[in-house]
Amino acid sequence: QITLKESGPTLVKPTQTLTLTCTFSGFSLSTSGVAVGWIRQPPGKALEWLALMYWDDDKRYRPSLKSRLTIAKDTSKNQVVLTMTNMDPVDTATYYCAHRRVVAASRHAYDIWGQGTMVIVSS
Amino acid sequence: QSALTQPASVSGSPGQSITISCTGTSSDVGGFNYVSWYQQHPGKAPKLMIFDVSDRPSGVSNRFSGSKSGNTASLTISGLQAEDEADYYCSSYTRSSTYVFGTGTKVSVL
Repeated sequence: QITLKESGPTLVKPTQTLTLTCTFSGFSLSTSGVAVGWIRQPPGKALEWLALMYWDDDKRYRPSLKSRLTIAKDTSKNQVVLTMTNMDPVDTATYYCAHRRVVAASRHAYDIWGQGTMVIVSS
Repeated sequence: QSALTQPASVSGSPGQSITISCTGTSSDVGGFNYVSWYQQHPGKAPKLMIFDVSDRPSGVSNRFSGSKSGNTASLTISGLQAEDEADYYCSSYTRSSTYVFGTGTKVSVL
């Protein structure tokens, strides 16, 4: 059974750096084809895809946020970490991590999601 | 990378069928058969309902179906039930090897 859980601060100040951790179980990020993504949702607004970490250490970022985002994995701890620099109130959102489908030629969907963690950016 | 365009709201009576559209470009929806759909109830995480335009994960009701024509994908819910009332989001893989979500549609069951 695959599970994911996000953790991190609930409140950050403007200009600070946000660090979020996704701790997962039921799969290994060292297995070919596996990937974990981050998606956020501002209150009352739509989902926004942020970043993706691949098993082979390849990474993808939302183009408009690429300069502020860093994604990394710790395979031994079954964790994926997302950092976002220079936080602003508009970054207030629920942040989700999600497991991407593994089946070859059918991988481009997120089949298991964490419960999400709310992050408020305010001074 | 602009969000895919969805209608803000769609409604229907129990038992009816409704269709939600998702319009993108040739760089995302139109360029790949990698459109997925997610259902989100208030305060809950999204749930995958459709992947690869029209495939359903195990456990998802066959009342949910997907299709695509050109740059527009569609999700149809047949035999609408009260439990289908939720927000729905489409998503697509893009030519930049990233992903993009839609603007979201609120489905109301009258």
